[in-house]
Amino acid sequence: GAGVSQTPSNKVTEKGKYVELRCDPISGHTALYWYRQSLGQGPEFLIYFQGTGAADDSGLPNDRFFAVRPEGSVSTLKIQRTERGDSAVYLCASSSGLAVGNEQFFGPGTRLTVL
Amino acid sequence: KQEVTQIPAALSVPEGENLVLNCSFTDSAIYNLQWFRQDPGKGLTSLLLIQSSQREQTSGRLNASLDKSSGRSTLYIAASQPGDSATYLCAVRPAFGNAGKSTFGDGTTLTVKP
Repeated sequence: GAGVSQTPSNKVTEKGKYVELRCDPISGHTALYWYRQSLGQGPEFLIYFQGTGAADDSGLPNDRFFAVRPEGSVSTLKIQRTERGDSAVYLCASSSGLAVGNEQFFGPGTRLTVL
Repeated sequence: KQEVTQIPAALSVPEGENLVLNCSFTDSAIYNLQWFRQDPGKGLTSLLLIQSSQREQTSGRLNASLDKSSGRSTLYIAASQPGDSATYLCAVRPAFGNAGKSTFGDGTTLTVKP
């Protein structure tokens, strides 16, 4: 089927605004991951879900960041009171599970710019 | 805390050359290691995954090896082509704790000159 999709592809917002970033994983994939990537760096882990529950949210930088996956498929990353330092590419990935041989497949990312 | 390092940060080679990209990690208790390529402005494309019990994986012109005890992995690219130009990233997942939490290196940017 289709790969991981993310919307929007680009988001420009003003400091202090609220934004939502959406991720549609590969159909049937139970695990879903969010990462943040700054220019010239590798992706930085934010949170991952196994089914509907957040199994590890230790990478979320502060309480302005929150993510949900209410039906175990689509996920939304929510950022409140955005700051200029939140500008980055937000990547989503999914895998068929957490077994040792399960690869992560990435979406194209959402480029967030906070003015 | 796991740290992943990729050296060099950039590499330029003439077309046709064989090359090796390096990935090192500080905690050898890993679940698996995955190599990706990333084209400018794009997401990551999975290349190879090596499970902790494996020593190498091959796909076409790519061969990835894993030496857990020394905390190293290499990605070998044979007969490089201009289309191989991209940034190559490695990521490790921990053997203990939350296995979904991957740690990435900052990548090696490869340029293959025609």
